[in-house]
Amino acid sequence: QSVLTQPPSVSAAPGQKVTISCSGSGFNIGNNYVSWYQQLPGTAPKLLIYDNNKRPSGIPDRFSGSKSGTSATLGITGLQTGDEADYYCGTWDSSLSTDVVFGGGTKLTVL
Amino acid sequence: QVQLVESGGGVVQPGRSLRLSCAASGFTFSTYGFHWVRQAPGKGLDWVAVIWSDGTNKYYADSVKGRFTISRDDSKNMLYLQMNSLRAEDTAVYYCARDVRSSSSNYFDYWGQGTLVTVSS
Repeated sequence: QSVLTQPPSVSAAPGQKVTISCSGSGFNIGNNYVSWYQQLPGTAPKLLIYDNNKRPSGIPDRFSGSKSGTSATLGITGLQTGDEADYYCGTWDSSLSTDVVFGGGTKLTVL
Repeated sequence: QVQLVESGGGVVQPGRSLRLSCAASGFTFSTYGFHWVRQAPGKGLDWVAVIWSDGTNKYYADSVKGRFTISRDDSKNMLYLQMNSLRAEDTAVYYCARDVRSSSSNYFDYWGQGTLVTVSS
């Protein structure tokens, strides 16, 4: 059971837009920045979004992030088949003795 | 360019030990903290441990506390994870990841390719 809650799967057609939610609490998302990671099949995770809505160099602006209260959202526009991957949100959690917590991951299928 | 390369994975019997290594290059290793994150087959990401750049502050997931030890050798640009008393549930791909943090921000900007640990008799 993950501390952060994500939908197990989402799907959309090529060219469309999709959003992936990440729900937490005041101990984690509510008081800390959120990051998002993309994991293509058979590869290591890759940083997609940090500090809620910032994109690292090389990440296209089709990817965006936002946060409101204790929830965060990853948005992907102009979907491509190459976007099929697992997406994870992550942040600090001050209520636990751990450092970082992740969502359970969302499998994106581009139909 | 930044590179993190893990090694040391393999098949090990329950109760035995294994040490993972992560070789870093392309940046000033001593100025960063590092994490180990694992992923069981078909499952999500599971944070394991962190070591700060000072090498003194170390934190562990409850599931590995007392069994795993994270360490670093700045002279060799190496990160380690000593895993003792291994259990079947420790079976996973283990990734090392570079830490970027501030007062309320914490994220992993680079990840290694991972090394598979299988605990089985």
